[in-house]
Amino acid sequence: GAVVSQHPSRVICKSGTSVKIECRSLDFQATTMFWYRQFPKQSLMLMATSNEGSKATYEQGVEKDKFLINHASLTLSTLTVTSAHPEDSSFYICSAIVQDIYEQYFGPGTRLTVT
Amino acid sequence: QKEVEQDPGPLSVPEGAIVSLNCTYSNSAFQYFMWYRQYSRKGPELLMYTYSSGNKEDGRFTAQVDKSSKYISLFIRDSQPSDSATYLCAMSANNDMRFGAGTRLTVKP
Repeated sequence: GAVVSQHPSRVICKSGTSVKIECRSLDFQATTMFWYRQFPKQSLMLMATSNEGSKATYEQGVEKDKFLINHASLTLSTLTVTSAHPEDSSFYICSAIVQDIYEQYFGPGTRLTVT
Repeated sequence: QKEVEQDPGPLSVPEGAIVSLNCTYSNSAFQYFMWYRQYSRKGPELLMYTYSSGNKEDGRFTAQVDKSSKYISLFIRDSQPSDSATYLCAMSANNDMRFGAGTRLTVKP
């Protein structure tokens, strides 16, 4: 199956700093990638849809100036959490689709802790 | 009412048992139905997807969709301790996807 990687897998940062998370499709080209966050024992919450070469589409309630998404190539999307605060601590997961949305492949996730 | 309802469990069964996991939904426009398995602190892994109503089997896993009842199921036969994980249902329509909350399953040896 298609493989998606994320880096870093875990990051601890101080409040007010920015953190960048990378999502890569390793063996396929992904025209669309998705960013989710997941709180403990809760389902995935879609944050934004990222299309290569265009601006990301953010879900209602997600601050686009705080969660910067860049999809510079067909294999790489990045999520930057700017001026992070403790309430941004969460598990961030990206996914990519080969062709159809129902065939999403997820990365391993990034655990962000803001102190 | 949430678009997708899934009992979060936890569900605990002995090894070898048949496991039944279920989701209900309210949006009749959903056409594709997926099941993901998520181990602790890992990303979800696509197990199976089904288009419209019917059954689909893959090894020990069987997915069922009943669109008339807006009800989907995942059956796991001969469950193993390695099946212990959270199982998320998901469904999509018009390039829009919704996830259930996930059911935490523990299979005890």
